[in-house]
Amino acid sequence: SQTIHQWPATLVQPVGSPLSLECTVEGTSNPNLYWYRQAAGRGLQLLFYSVGIGQISSEVPQNLSASRPQDRQFILSSKKLLLSDSGFYLCAWSVAGGAGETQYFGPGTRLLVL
Amino acid sequence: AQKVTQAQTEISVVEKEDVTLDCVYETRDTTYYLFWYKQPPSGELVFLIRRNSFDEQNEISGRYSWNFQKSTSSFNFTITASQVVDSAVYFCALSEEGSGYSTLTFGKGTMLLVSP
Repeated sequence: SQTIHQWPATLVQPVGSPLSLECTVEGTSNPNLYWYRQAAGRGLQLLFYSVGIGQISSEVPQNLSASRPQDRQFILSSKKLLLSDSGFYLCAWSVAGGAGETQYFGPGTRLLVL
Repeated sequence: AQKVTQAQTEISVVEKEDVTLDCVYETRDTTYYLFWYKQPPSGELVFLIRRNSFDEQNEISGRYSWNFQKSTSSFNFTITASQVVDSAVYFCALSEEGSGYSTLTFGKGTMLLVSP
């Protein structure tokens, strides 16, 4: 069966510091991968998605970036964190394909920028 | 543009009551997909159901049931005989065929509080 991992689970970082969040998927090949942010108010915002190694699409311009160095690894980064980057970051995967494939979410990373 | 509206921000019920969570969607595509996810206090989104636009049959899974009505663009979720463990935020989401990949547009969620 497929599993998705995220780490760290919780992170407290000062403003201006770098960020690296990691997501890995097990039990599947060539998945589509997604990064979402959930800020206060509960809404989920799609940040990035990837359909393959090195292929990243950004949905929202910001100081975050994403990379996919391996087939089942997705990394969310920032060179300098802002206060507004605080939130709950969720990684998800789906079977490669068109619209309608179910997305399965990881446990998330809670980020607090002070 | 696609849109999902969950008008109920928060619902409080007492255990064993039935509760219905509303979801109204907007899309221009004729082929689309609807989802419900549960987010318990731990934070992880748990997939509950997926429906495509050509399948209007209602579905029942244990205490959960879903009513899909294209005529009113609604995909409502009912929990029968609610339990404290049902307390969570529930999200409805939409994916359009025309997008070419599986991106989801989420509603803002409905927080369900079930008290003993």
